[in-house]
Amino acid sequence: DAGITQSPRHKVTETGTPVTLRCHQTENHRYMYWYRQDPGHGLRLIHYSYGVKDTDKGEVSDGYSVSRSKTEDFLLTLESATSSQTSVYFCAINSDRGTYGYTFGSGTRLTVV
Amino acid sequence: SQQGEEDPQALSIQEGENATMNCSYKTSINNLQWYRQNSGRGLVHLILIRSNEREKHSGRLRVTLDTSKKSSSLLITASRAADTASYFCSGGSEKLVFGKGTKLTVNP
Repeated sequence: DAGITQSPRHKVTETGTPVTLRCHQTENHRYMYWYRQDPGHGLRLIHYSYGVKDTDKGEVSDGYSVSRSKTEDFLLTLESATSSQTSVYFCAINSDRGTYGYTFGSGTRLTVV
Repeated sequence: SQQGEEDPQALSIQEGENATMNCSYKTSINNLQWYRQNSGRGLVHLILIRSNEREKHSGRLRVTLDTSKKSSSLLITASRAADTASYFCSGGSEKLVFGKGTKLTVNP
């Protein structure tokens, strides 16, 4: 996935611990997104950003926070991880409000035990 | 947000056959986008059709859009085993919202 990387690729963490996932882009795109994907639910939007320090909630934002202090990085934090947050997390970027196709990262598989 | 709902949920065909998937959405859109997801990977943008277009081709892909019915279809011609994947649609906007996708299996 040229221009967008997610880290870590895999993580196992314990219930109640904080976890931060990172999305890094080299495309200088304005819009960045965090999705989660679970069996039976498809992809669901967690949070998105439309500029540095500008973020908004998606459909499943409870228990998650985000930060974007510079154009290239969008961080997703689980303040106190729960088993229900076990999922695959995808980051996506776009240059112009959906006028063009989105580019997705390869995903982070998070397991909360 | 511009939701996309894909139909059918699953589709199994033989190599060489055509595969047709459908998408419905609820509100007005500027464009409709289709994505493919191979198992364990991120989504890959396939094709975008604008609201003033009715049909668009890209290689073996053909997309149609009917704004009066708020629906779109994706046709993959002469399918290959490598086309096995899940396919998602969404109305292009500031926030992409997806359905559960169509899982396509192409049997050799």
